[in-house]
Amino acid sequence: AQSVTQLDSHVSVSEGTPVLLRCNYSSSYSPSLFWYVQHPNKGLQLLLKYTSAATLVKGINGFEAEFKKSETSFHLTKPSAHMSDAAEYFCVVSDRNLNKLVFGAGTILRVKS
Amino acid sequence: DGGITQSPKYLFRKEGQNVTLSCEQNLNHDAMYWYRQDPGQGLRLIYYSQIVNDFQKGDIAEGYSVSREKKESFPLTVTSAQKNPTAFYLCASKPDRNYGYTFGSGTRLTVV
Repeated sequence: AQSVTQLDSHVSVSEGTPVLLRCNYSSSYSPSLFWYVQHPNKGLQLLLKYTSAATLVKGINGFEAEFKKSETSFHLTKPSAHMSDAAEYFCVVSDRNLNKLVFGAGTILRVKS
Repeated sequence: DGGITQSPKYLFRKEGQNVTLSCEQNLNHDAMYWYRQDPGQGLRLIYYSQIVNDFQKGDIAEGYSVSREKKESFPLTVTSAQKNPTAFYLCASKPDRNYGYTFGSGTRLTVV
């Protein structure tokens, strides 16, 4: 079975500094991986996805993630945080047929001015 | 504009009552999903449906029921058998064989 572990429940950064949100995955096959963002009381928005193409994936709003098979990781990064990045972020793995998503517990990102 | 509409945004229910959450999509997507979100637990799959008139239990289906009579609609009923129904409920849909999930904006259910 697939699973994801988000290593930090909360991350706090200052505006203009880099963001790193960590995610490790477990899968018995080559996974499809996603990062979603959720602002308070809103639905989820897809930031980026990895589906066995390039290992460095660029997403929206300046975010990117690197798939590292040897480390079973898919960490999300951004060079410079903006106040509007404050939200909850979910690392997600899909089953083989892309029919079901398995979510991590989420990381709440706080951006200080 | 195409999208998913969940209603109502906020819902209050007395203990022992059933309540139905609405999810409608005009994206012509084949598959639809219901997730429950609790703080610190991510989203957990309740039920999903890949075609009309068919649906499968997810990881936490107990106390919930669904129907899929139309492609556009996938209502979720939270029954009195659900022991802890207070949560944020998200509906999603996607085309067949495609990873393009679209999420609704959610319904926050509170049992009073």
